[in-house]
Amino acid sequence: GNSVTQMEGPVTLSEEAFLTINCTYTATGYPSLFWYVQYPGEGLQLLLKATKADDKGSNKGFEATYRKETTSFHLEKGSVQVSDSAVYFCALSSTHNQKLVFGQGTRLTINP
Amino acid sequence: EAGVVQSPRYKIIEKKQPVAFWCNPISGHNTLYWYLQNLGQGPELLIRYENEEAVDDSQLPKDRFSAERLKGVDSTLKIQPAELGDSAVYLCASSLNTGGGADTQYFGPGTRLTVL
Repeated sequence: GNSVTQMEGPVTLSEEAFLTINCTYTATGYPSLFWYVQYPGEGLQLLLKATKADDKGSNKGFEATYRKETTSFHLEKGSVQVSDSAVYFCALSSTHNQKLVFGQGTRLTINP
Repeated sequence: EAGVVQSPRYKIIEKKQPVAFWCNPISGHNTLYWYLQNLGQGPELLIRYENEEAVDDSQLPKDRFSAERLKGVDSTLKIQPAELGDSAVYLCASSLNTGGGADTQYFGPGTRLTVL
């Protein structure tokens, strides 16, 4: 079945550092890929998504590129802020249903 | 525009008691989902509705869990009887189904259930 594997956390960085959170997937066909973020005390929010190979999703300075050849969708940001502290989830959904399959989440803490 | 509304936000019950969670999706969204999120894990789908029809309930433990979405709008998820292992966050999400699997799902804040 479909699955998502994320870089294990927690991840702690200093403000303005470069961020990468790795995500790889296993799926049949051509899934859509997502990054969701959960800020402290809040619900899951869509951060960005990509629907086909080589698509780049971007939002709030975050980027991720759909790499079919490596089955990856790594999240990157050039300069993180304290306000980026949250739990980040990589997820996929297949073309024949709307079921989101999530990774286990990566907790990110940014120190000033 | 109002987001997905869930209630209650927190619930503490004794084991073997029943419990129910309510969800009101974003207006106009035809697809509604219930997810279970255990501590330190990603959410896992329990059931998906297209309008009032449950189209994927393969992960719903039907011996104790039930759900309904009368009139294709609000939904209720029930557990009877609750067990200690049911302690988790129950998330509701909704989307406008346009086909293709890329529809954005909008999540509510969740109900945190503690079973003692």
